Amino acid sequence: KAGVTQTPRYLIKTRGQQVTLSCSPISGHRSVSWYQQTPGQGLQFLFEYFSETQRNKGNFPGRFSGRQFSNSRSEMNVSTLELGDSALYLCASSPGLAGGKNIQYFGAGTRLSVL
Amino acid sequence: GQNIDQPTEMTATEGAIVQINCTYQTSGFNGLFWYQQHAGEAPTFLSYNVLDGLEEKGRFSSFLSRSKGYSYLLLKELQMKDSASYLCAVRAWSGGSYIPTFGRGTSLIVHP
Repeated sequence: KAGVTQTPRYLIKTRGQQVTLSCSPISGHRSVSWYQQTPGQGLQFLFEYFSETQRNKGNFPGRFSGRQFSNSRSEMNVSTLELGDSALYLCASSPGLAGGKNIQYFGAGTRLSVL
Repeated sequence: GQNIDQPTEMTATEGAIVQINCTYQTSGFNGLFWYQQHAGEAPTFLSYNVLDGLEEKGRFSSFLSRSKGYSYLLLKELQMKDSASYLCAVRAWSGGSYIPTFGRGTSLIVHP
């Protein structure tokens, strides 16, 4: 079974630009969550999508948005990039079931550098 | 909100045993996870506890006490490849679904 795939692996952007990151979950997984990881703050939850609907959202400004397609693939968009958006963006997929372990499996991440 | 604490860094010797602690405060607890993350790589799932007690899986064990808001990850027969960051994550109900909140991670350095 293929794991979680994130593209691209690396991105360099300048302030004010926008960026779109992509995540393909494990086959059969319906939940995709996005996280921002920085040395100072650790892993911070951005949002979760389940069956094409945003099911939960973390404490990030509206510049951060996402969507999920019918095949469960997800994209995350950041508009008007700021220097502080430089981070590793991780996507995690899980079955999304209400009960059970519902373990999240992570992709390798997209490292975004904003200059 | 949730508060998760774990030590920032630990060092240990190859072949030894190390215990990484995690304390948390939360409501609506629905499970605790441990992940391992090597530098530049994705976090990988190690263990899951939802009931009190010890879960053993090879060289790794994880313990949970819900009443104390406490967990630990025990690594036995340490190997150099165990040098990594270990993330404790607590899942709880928040705003419409169960969401894991991660601690900042414990960087484990294993030396010969």
